[in-house]
Amino acid sequence: DAKTTQPTSMDCAEGRAANLPCNHSTISGNEYVYWYRQIHSQGPQYIIHGLKNNETNEMASLIITEDRKSSTLILPHATLRDTAVYYCIAERNSGNTPLVFGKGTRLSVIA
Amino acid sequence: SQTIHQWPATLVQPVGSPLSLECTVEGTSNPNLYWYRQAAGRGLQLLFYSVGIGQISSEVPQNLSASRPQDRQFILSSKKLLLSDSGFYLCAQGPGVRNTIYFGEGSWLTVV
Repeated sequence: DAKTTQPTSMDCAEGRAANLPCNHSTISGNEYVYWYRQIHSQGPQYIIHGLKNNETNEMASLIITEDRKSSTLILPHATLRDTAVYYCIAERNSGNTPLVFGKGTRLSVIA
Repeated sequence: SQTIHQWPATLVQPVGSPLSLECTVEGTSNPNLYWYRQAAGRGLQLLFYSVGIGQISSEVPQNLSASRPQDRQFILSSKKLLLSDSGFYLCAQGPGVRNTIYFGEGSWLTVV
């Protein structure tokens, strides 16, 4: 699986958009970009994933650059409950490959 | 829907004592099952995964072991705990919708 790099931490004001970057310069053509988040003392939760096109769901939007070497997770209106560690993972979407989590980005939403 | 039960939720054990953490899942049959550990202030570390009954892959050599006696049961064990085994242990299952994996509520282990 391709290695991803994320900033260690970020702050965001409540109600503003949170933009979390992820670099995956060695991503291969069959690897998807997955985002999970982990709220303190809970298991990680799936947010969104994509291959080439931008994706949007009820939780977030995922913007993938044309060369697929980086992506940005966007939480359009961050709330205090979005405070969590966000993990970006590049994975083949085989269904049988274990997800390998990096250290993620600790997002703090501030009132 | 996929439901994961882990127990015990919290455990305090002395060094050198045995360990057994259990995980049972509901939903799809023949799921892939995973054990992850998160030490204090650190990231998630994959310990074991299983694609079927009796099939266990170990990612990190250590004093822990895993077993899958039934399709939807995954057990993490140790014969003698070390202080470094303290952490937050998470059971997960997949693949789910969109090939994602789902995590249980976790078990907190403190070795004293």
